[in-house]
Amino acid sequence: GNSVTQMEGPVTLSEEAFLTINCTYTATGYPSLFWYVQYPGEGLQLLLKATKADDKGSNKGFEATYRKETTSFHLEKGSVQVSDSAVYFCALSKRYGGATNKLIFGTGTLLAVQP
Amino acid sequence: DSGVTQTPKHLITATGQRVTLRCSPRSGDLSVYWYQQSLDQGLQFLIQYYNGEERAKGNILERFSAQQFPDLHSELNLSSLELGDSALYFCASSVAPGVDSPLHFGNGTRLTVT
Repeated sequence: GNSVTQMEGPVTLSEEAFLTINCTYTATGYPSLFWYVQYPGEGLQLLLKATKADDKGSNKGFEATYRKETTSFHLEKGSVQVSDSAVYFCALSKRYGGATNKLIFGTGTLLAVQP
Repeated sequence: DSGVTQTPKHLITATGQRVTLRCSPRSGDLSVYWYQQSLDQGLQFLIQYYNGEERAKGNILERFSAQQFPDLHSELNLSSLELGDSALYFCASSVAPGVDSPLHFGNGTRLTVT
């Protein structure tokens, strides 16, 4: 079946460090891939997405490239800030003729950025 | 603020009871989704509605049911509650039902079953 695997946290970094959170997926066909972020006490927010192979999603300094050959969608940021501390979820969604949007999430990775 | 409103924010109840969680989608969104977030299962898709009709079903127990009303708000009913049902329940909405339509999540309802 379809699934998402992401690195376990917590990931603890100092401010201005480089961030990578690994995400790999298992799916037939061509899923769309997403990164969502959850700040404490809040719901999930879409951070970025990519809908086809080699697409790069980017937002707020975060980037992820859809790599079909390695079935990966790793999240990166060149210089993290304390305000980036949150839980990050990788997710995929399969196309069913445009009829549904059933997101399958990874387990989430807690990022803690220290000043 | 995502524009998705969930009530109540917290709910504490006993085993065997029944509760109703309510969700008002973002203005203009026609599709509503319910997710359950627990420590052991992570984020699990429960069910999706589009314009009042069920569109997709996930890992939703038979004790759970949902509906979307003509004004587009949705309710998730949980009955015969068990300790294992304790979780954070999220509602999300999107303009259209397909994969190209981003989801906007509410802040969740935290259910504690004692």
